[in-house]
Amino acid sequence: QKEVEQNSGPLSVPEGAIASLNCTYSDRGSQSFFWYRQYSGKSPELIMSIYSNGDKEDGRFTAQLNKASQYVSLLIRDSQPSDSATYLCAVSEDSNYQLIWGAGTKLIIKP
Amino acid sequence: GAVVSQHPSRVICKSGTSVKIECRSLDFQATTMFWYRQFPKQSLMLMATSNEGSKATYEQGVEKDKFLINHASLTLSTLTVTSAHPEDSSFYICSARGTSTNTQYFGPGTRLTVL
Repeated sequence: QKEVEQNSGPLSVPEGAIASLNCTYSDRGSQSFFWYRQYSGKSPELIMSIYSNGDKEDGRFTAQLNKASQYVSLLIRDSQPSDSATYLCAVSEDSNYQLIWGAGTKLIIKP
Repeated sequence: GAVVSQHPSRVICKSGTSVKIECRSLDFQATTMFWYRQFPKQSLMLMATSNEGSKATYEQGVEKDKFLINHASLTLSTLTVTSAHPEDSSFYICSARGTSTNTQYFGPGTRLTVL
């Protein structure tokens, strides 16, 4: 059974601080990794994708991938109240294009 | 780019009726479309995967005769909930991926309420 695990939270972070979200996956054959953000009552929206070991930065967001340890993380710098949402980690092995989803981490940014 | 639309955004229907939900990729050709269901405060649940021109592949426990999926073109997939019952009330979300990528782009979702 391929699994993606996330801490459900809630993770509470003060405004302006760095929020760190983590995700581990079980399938060593996984090749593609995604972070989505989902606001309450809305559909998921793609934040970042990462395919190679190391860091990938996009604005205030940094995704980090370590395939040897089978974890992927998302850092949000200068956290804003508008970043409060559930963050979903998704992993794909590419062969069938399906994503294996984590249950999500609820992030709360406190003003 | 990579915009996916869904229609309707919200529907209320009587028990026993059928409801059709459309999912369109507006600016790319969707090789594969996925249909998800999400109950309040729960995770996304994949219902089925559909490739253009092929029969959909349903996840275990999803009734293919109840949730009819058609993917007739590279930009349109439809989900029909047949003989809807109150327990079918949920948030239905489609996603689409283009050629040579496994990134999924989501539609805004359809909230179905069955009375």
